[in-house]
Amino acid sequence: RKEVEQDPGPFNVPEGATVAFNCTYSNSASQSFFWYRQDCRKEPKLLMSVYSSGNEDGRFTAQLNRASQYISLLIRDSKLSDSATYLCVRMDSSYKLIFGSGTRLLVRP
Amino acid sequence: DAGVIQSPRHEVTEMGQEVTLRCKPISGHDYLFWYRQTMMRGLELLIYFNNNVPIDDSGMPEDRFSAKMPNASFSTLKIQPSEPRDSAVYFCASSEGWGYNEQFFGPGTRLTVL
Repeated sequence: RKEVEQDPGPFNVPEGATVAFNCTYSNSASQSFFWYRQDCRKEPKLLMSVYSSGNEDGRFTAQLNRASQYISLLIRDSKLSDSATYLCVRMDSSYKLIFGSGTRLLVRP
Repeated sequence: DAGVIQSPRHEVTEMGQEVTLRCKPISGHDYLFWYRQTMMRGLELLIYFNNNVPIDDSGMPEDRFSAKMPNASFSTLKIQPSEPRDSAVYFCASSEGWGYNEQFFGPGTRLTVL
């Protein structure tokens, strides 16, 4: 079993829709998580950090459920420019980043 | 400010050849990371350096891979001899510190080994 698992998608949604995707992790001792965004043929870039139960940044909300060992990312009022792959990342006990394989989002006009 | 710089951006080589990937981290960042991304395995950490010293190379796949950081502004990842299964995108990243400091990724080197 992978340490960080994500639905590869793609999630195909119309502009303005709300979309959410989950990420599950296997190590219950994990403390910190992140969401990275990766555009096609580009490098990953940090989108949000998820340190406690979750946090919000504009249209983006990340939540952490430790009991069920999953993290979610909610995008409201999706824009065409949100089309990308979203990587769920766990920080391990030695502060190394463990990446999921990503969930692809396509926002259509 | 310039971000992380990697060269070459694309490399096509034949099996058995030596490949050298280069990275210049963001000035002032004392951590440098090498990652590899493939469809099958996603993004994986290969090795990281702190103040030019290799700290953890447990992700390096085998002895054909080696990495050096001769100074604070330059690192190389070398594959010798290269094999088709080494085909991937190799990213270099740097950060100002360890732990929760954000890692900034370079644009990557897309390697194809024929």
